[in-house]
Amino acid sequence: DIQLTQSPSFLSASVGDRVTITCRASQGINSYLAWYQQTPGKAPRLLIYAASTLQSGVPSRFSGSGSATEFTLTISSLQPEDFATYYCQQVKGYPLSFGGGTKVEIK
Amino acid sequence: EVQLVESGGGLVQPGGSLRFSCAASGFTFSDHYMDWVRQAPGKGLEWVGRIRKKVNGYTTEYAASVKGRFTISRDDSQNSLYLQMDSLKTEDTAVYYCARMIHYGGVFYSDSWGQGTLLTVSS
Repeated sequence: DIQLTQSPSFLSASVGDRVTITCRASQGINSYLAWYQQTPGKAPRLLIYAASTLQSGVPSRFSGSGSATEFTLTISSLQPEDFATYYCQQVKGYPLSFGGGTKVEIK
Repeated sequence: EVQLVESGGGLVQPGGSLRFSCAASGFTFSDHYMDWVRQAPGKGLEWVGRIRKKVNGYTTEYAASVKGRFTISRDDSQNSLYLQMDSLKTEDTAVYYCARMIHYGGVFYSDSWGQGTLLTVSS
């Protein structure tokens, strides 16, 4: 099974900050990775798929990069609505798996 | 507008059974693979399983934690997805989401999610 390790698990940041979240895969997954945003009590929202493709309607301050085993999600200028938990997911092989999540809180 | 609405949540005793439904609208349901994903209280996301579409034989995949106990099915005529859960354990307690899959680059991504339905397994 493919394990995904996200870091950090928690980060505290201010509005306007540049934020980077890392997701590492236990084996190569090409670019078969998605990023989701989840706010409390809500369903996850797809932000990025295929490692770097921005989902329709997602603000351009979100970007994704990486391939094989190391991936990053970057928020170029954190906005109040971006305070949430972020998850990566690999879709290369079964069972599909998610990272443990990164909670972004207001400093 | 794509809509997915789960129903059927509730309280069940360990060893019991329950079936969730997911009603789809706003898109051609039969054209899409569908997944179930769950989230235990205060925890992260866990993939539960997938059902493919008719041309792929409605075949399914499951997480090891639910294989043999959970069954995913669909009724394209009713635009509905189902999750039959048997031999329930306390660790199955979670919010369960259905998700529509989109095909890109040979794989599938969850682009739309329902609001979730809560299963509580407790005596």
